[in-house]
This record gives sequence, C-alpha cells and structure tokens, in this order.
Amino acid sequence: GESVGLHLPTLSVQEGDNSIINCAYSNSASDYFIWYKQESGKGPQFIIDIRSNMDKRQGQRVTVLLNKTVKHLSLQIAATQPGDSAVYFCAETPYGNNRLAFGKGNQVVVIP
Amino acid sequence: DGGITQSPKYLFRKEGQNVTLSCEQNLNHDAMYWYRQDPGQGLRLIYYSQIVNDFQKGDIAEGYSVSREKKESFPLTVTSAQKNPTAFYLCASNIPGPYNEQFFGPGTRLTVL
Repeated sequence: GESVGLHLPTLSVQEGDNSIINCAYSNSASDYFIWYKQESGKGPQFIIDIRSNMDKRQGQRVTVLLNKTVKHLSLQIAATQPGDSAVYFCAETPYGNNRLAFGKGNQVVVIP
Repeated sequence: DGGITQSPKYLFRKEGQNVTLSCEQNLNHDAMYWYRQDPGQGLRLIYYSQIVNDFQKGDIAEGYSVSREKKESFPLTVTSAQKNPTAFYLCASNIPGPYNEQFFGPGTRLTVL
C-alpha cells in the first residue's frame, strides 16, 4: 500500500477503546472544517464536517469538536474497530473559497 | 454508481518523459482538483478548475499542466520540468461552494525511474 503514514504522529489504540485525534489549524478566518480518513493505497474518504458557527457535531460513532479560540479541531471515534486503522486528515478553508488546506495527518493503529 | 475514477493505479515512466494522469467523474460536479501526496505530508494542491475551460494554479503548479475541455474530465500532465515527480496523485471534485466537501478518487502512484 501507499506509504502515506510514514513519519506521521501515530496513535495506537486498543480495539473497543475510544480514540481522539487532534488537529491545530492555521487560519482564524477558516469557517468550514472536514475530517477525512485515508486507508492504505486509497483516496481520502469524507468522515464528518463542521461549520464555524458550531462547536460540536456528531455522526455515527464519530464526534468532531471545534475550539475556535485556540484554533483546535478534534475527532473522537467511539469503540474503535480494526477497520478504523488509517491516516486521518483535517482540512480547513482558509481562502474563503472552494479551496481546502490539509493538515499532515495522524496515523491510527488499532490493536486487536 | 457515481464516483471518480483515476487511471492507471500504478504508472512508471523514465526520467525526462511527460506523462498524463487521467481523472474522470460522473457526479456532475463543476469543480475538480489535483493534489500531490508525499509520505509524511498533507495533500498539496497542484491545479484546480471551477468550470469547464477554466483552471487556476494551486500551491505547487510548477512542472505540471492541466486541461478542462469537458466537465467530466480533468487530466494532469506531469512534465519533464517537474524535478521530483514520484508521488501519489489524487483527483477530487465537488459542487462549488463554501460548505461542500470534496470527493476523492482512488489515486495514481507515479514512479519515475
């Protein structure tokens, strides 16, 4: 598979535990944020998004938290499963248009 | 099924040769994007297009060229001027707008020998 996970911060989590992945974003003007999941050898998949007028949004087994004061975004995964092993990227919209800026990613490794 | 296709999945070329990567979408999206991904780095934008027959440079356009003659297609040419072309290339598309996520294709791994 692709070596996108090399040299990335890695979170090792026991199967069934909760995972928290953090992301610091750069631009206080960004008003839309997305979390993507990328499995080895594949393109990124959309997980969840949040607009700047919210501080929390929940999906199926995932929750995104946004703290605009400290420009911090986090993704919580409940009851982590082996299929959650992947690289997770946050993305923001610092340009006020359709362009996204991506973080470097975090590798999550689920231990069975 | 709607989606984005990229071909081929793996591509090998000799140094000094131009190579074109294919990206096709049937999602009826107006906007399309090309990103480059290297190990340990986030996605970097090469080119993007908001509408047919129009495109803009991204952050790392040098050594690349694109065309957008059809809504469904946004091919990327990696030219011999690109000094370090070996990478994983990702194509994405979306409906233009401030709160619309981008959908990604499966990627093409280009290796220049």
